Amino acid sequence: GQNIDQPTEMTATEGAIVQINCTYQTSGFNGLFWYQQHAGEAPTFLSYNVLDGLEEKGRFSSFLSRSKGYSYLLLKELQMKDSASYLCAAMTTDSWGKFQFGAGTQVVVTP
Amino acid sequence: NAGVTQTPKFQVLKTGQSMTLQCAQDMNHEYMSWYRQDPGMGLRLIHYSVGAGITDQGEVPNGYNVSRSTTEDFPLRLLSAAPSQTSVYFCASMGNKGNTIYFGEGSWLTVV
Repeated sequence: GQNIDQPTEMTATEGAIVQINCTYQTSGFNGLFWYQQHAGEAPTFLSYNVLDGLEEKGRFSSFLSRSKGYSYLLLKELQMKDSASYLCAAMTTDSWGKFQFGAGTQVVVTP
Repeated sequence: NAGVTQTPKFQVLKTGQSMTLQCAQDMNHEYMSWYRQDPGMGLRLIHYSVGAGITDQGEVPNGYNVSRSTTEDFPLRLLSAAPSQTSVYFCASMGNKGNTIYFGEGSWLTVV
């Protein structure tokens, strides 16, 4: 079956680093996406990995290991506005554009 | 640039009523989809389309219909609303490069 697992909640202090792990099992694989979603709002795109390795975008980095079915999102220099849910999503290959989303990780940033 | 526009933002329905959630995108994207989001369950795919005239079922299609007569529009129809369809609905589109999904602002639907 298809499954995306990520922790339910993480808490970290302003200025710290937090790493959100995501493991996936899908019928084929065509890329791993990370989205940020603030309460009451739509998800917004953060990163996309299709090859193994690290992608860095400012304070956010995302890593992918296809052989391990594993990804992580790294948030550095945490700010209060980073308090949100972070969604991991895998695009499968059984139909182009078909995504499997994880349940999301709620990150709480404390002062 | 409007991106993905969905309406209405909020709706209350009585059990058994029907309604259509509208979705339009102005980015000439071939791929469009509808998700529902429920607490603790993440986003679940309802229906999707890879181009005008082509639609397919996602993970939770029962009770919903879609059509794709134009590239721009992808409406979602609730045939006979049930309380289990109380949820937040998101429309999304993606371009041919396949590396970014654009979401609409969401539609909060309550069925009483």
